[in-house]
Amino acid sequence: SQQGEEDPQALSIQEGENATMNCSYKTSINNLQWYRQNSGRGLVHLILIRSNEREKHSGRLRVTLDTSKKSSSLLITASRAADTASYFCASHSGNTPLVFGKGTRLSVIA
Amino acid sequence: EAGVVQSPRYKIIEKKQPVAFWCNPISGHNTLYWYLQNLGQGPELLIRYENEEAVDDSQLPKDRFSAERLKGVDSTLKIQPAELGDSAVYLCASSPNSGGSEQFFGPGTRLTVL
Repeated sequence: SQQGEEDPQALSIQEGENATMNCSYKTSINNLQWYRQNSGRGLVHLILIRSNEREKHSGRLRVTLDTSKKSSSLLITASRAADTASYFCASHSGNTPLVFGKGTRLSVIA
Repeated sequence: EAGVVQSPRYKIIEKKQPVAFWCNPISGHNTLYWYLQNLGQGPELLIRYENEEAVDDSQLPKDRFSAERLKGVDSTLKIQPAELGDSAVYLCASSPNSGGSEQFFGPGTRLTVL
């Protein structure tokens, strides 16, 4: 079963715009991770945010975590065509393995 | 440093045939994962290894799927016999440990069962 749910399922924006993707999960977590998957490739880890953190930055990426709402968001600023990919959140709870959501398909149009 | 290596990248077989996938994790990574990814979905865990021990295989359909990691390094996932519904991408990932750390994924094997 998949615990995380990303929203929206698909997003299309113009190059230079910001892209925001949301993730909701069901149970208490140790950490939440975001991954990117280009078409036909494996997943690439982007960022990990721990349950006691509220915001984290990495380059053009900004992740927030709201444990009271069991939700997280990924913001990509100044998007580029190369950001076109599927983005997945994955939650880690207790001793259980990562549970991935269904992903958001982002298209950045040049 | 080499990443996670998987082979083959693509496989097309007739239903009821056997198929095997191979994975070589990043050197030094104790934890190895096999995932199934259907089109438009996120990865779903099939089995997790800590060194050579399978510690989480509750989602592995044991009637037709098997896996091994004999020396705690590379791993093989087998399906016998394959069914039409097994068509998917099979992803292998590794991590230094299983404590919720980031995982490193291979490119996957796309299986088509005809």
